[in-house]
Amino acid sequence: DTGVSQDPRHKITKRGQNVTFRCDPISEHNRLYWYRQTLGQGPEFLTYFQNEAQLEKSRLLSDRFSAERPKGSFSTLEIQRTEQGDSAMYLCASSPRRGVDTQYFGPGTRLTVL
Amino acid sequence: AQTVTQSQPEMSVQEAETVTLSCTYDTSESDYYLFWYKQPPSRQMILVIRQEAYKQQNATENRFSVNFQKAAKSFSLKISDSQLGDAAMYFCAYKNSGSRLTFGEGTQLTVNP
Repeated sequence: DTGVSQDPRHKITKRGQNVTFRCDPISEHNRLYWYRQTLGQGPEFLTYFQNEAQLEKSRLLSDRFSAERPKGSFSTLEIQRTEQGDSAMYLCASSPRRGVDTQYFGPGTRLTVL
Repeated sequence: AQTVTQSQPEMSVQEAETVTLSCTYDTSESDYYLFWYKQPPSRQMILVIRQEAYKQQNATENRFSVNFQKAAKSFSLKISDSQLGDAAMYFCAYKNSGSRLTFGEGTQLTVNP
């Protein structure tokens, strides 16, 4: 069990550029979540997948954000036309959909928009 | 909507002493789960302890225990025999039968040698 991994760990981009982040969940977990965390705050939910189906999206997920999970394995989160307000840590988590359904987090991708 | 409140932005404790972090939440549901997560300076969120609301017995994991008061909607974390490695941001989180976790604002814990 290698844990949740995320790539890249850090991303610096200029305003208006598109960025894409990747998350690889724990292998036997069929649920995958994306959260956003700004400095000094708790994470805020963005979206959730069960297998390949995106079942829930937060109002925080504007039209510039899109997430996919092809084949129910890894997931990507794309932000189009980045804005300075998008600067944050983007966290991915996965859970096994059994019992308490505890979510296990990856190390995050820190995005800085200049 | 559910809300989670951590009223202590910062706490400090002497090494080997005990500290309690507070958390309250607001929900109209009867079936839910509560968690404490730890986020060290490296920023990876780590599960510390979890509690199912239907269980009356307070959860315990080694030096970490909770005081779950369902009627008062309170879920505090007690850390005994504090160690330098316990220094981190601690987040209380709520989850109902749905998918999302709702987090509090966090408490920054400092452990003094």
